[in-house]
Amino acid sequence: DQQVKQNSPSLSVQEGRISILNCDYTNSMFDYFLWYKKYPAEGPTFLISISSIKDKNEDGRFTVFLNKSAKHLSLHIVPSQPGDSAVYFCAANYGLLSGGYQKVTFGTGTKLQVIP
Amino acid sequence: DGGITQSPKYLFRKEGQNVTLSCEQNLNHDAMYWYRQDPGQGLRLIYYSQIVNDFQKGDIAEGYSVSREKKESFPLTVTSAQKNPTAFYLCASSIRDRGSGANVLTFGAGSRLTVL
Repeated sequence: DQQVKQNSPSLSVQEGRISILNCDYTNSMFDYFLWYKKYPAEGPTFLISISSIKDKNEDGRFTVFLNKSAKHLSLHIVPSQPGDSAVYFCAANYGLLSGGYQKVTFGTGTKLQVIP
Repeated sequence: DGGITQSPKYLFRKEGQNVTLSCEQNLNHDAMYWYRQDPGQGLRLIYYSQIVNDFQKGDIAEGYSVSREKKESFPLTVTSAQKNPTAFYLCASSIRDRGSGANVLTFGAGSRLTVL
């Protein structure tokens, strides 16, 4: 049962253009959504998060949008840089007061290639 | 520097042997996790621990065992009962992000286990 899904395994974008990575989820009880970036043979690193009560969160070149009715979120990277080339994972967890708060569920990842 | 140390980075095992992967953190995080990464399947949760002397099964716990005797340490044993143990294993710890309330994981560099 894949509760967090990333349907695009890969994406190629020209340097300077916008990268849009998508994520869908099935569990409406998730309270927080996060994006992680991963280079080969390394652990993922946290990028940005959003609460389910918000529809947008921005941090520099990275913006996450949440559409709760569609159970969909997306990560926008503008402008894209070659150093952004990595695998991006979407993740979700329940709120602090919910049982299972500590359990974090990840998607399958999208490999982004930014072409110089 | 605070962080998570996983060892060994590479490990080879013969079929039928148990092997233990080490994970140590000096971040003073309460929660710790083990994930497994396989191509095309993202990060799948094996076990997680919210506090010392307590741990819960994740989505793919069969063939694995853990212990949490100290806050800093969360070793994972891959037993001979695990049918497909060859994978990249990631340990993580977490703290709640004060800004958003999201459960943000900090990952180690990973351990690659190959069964010969």
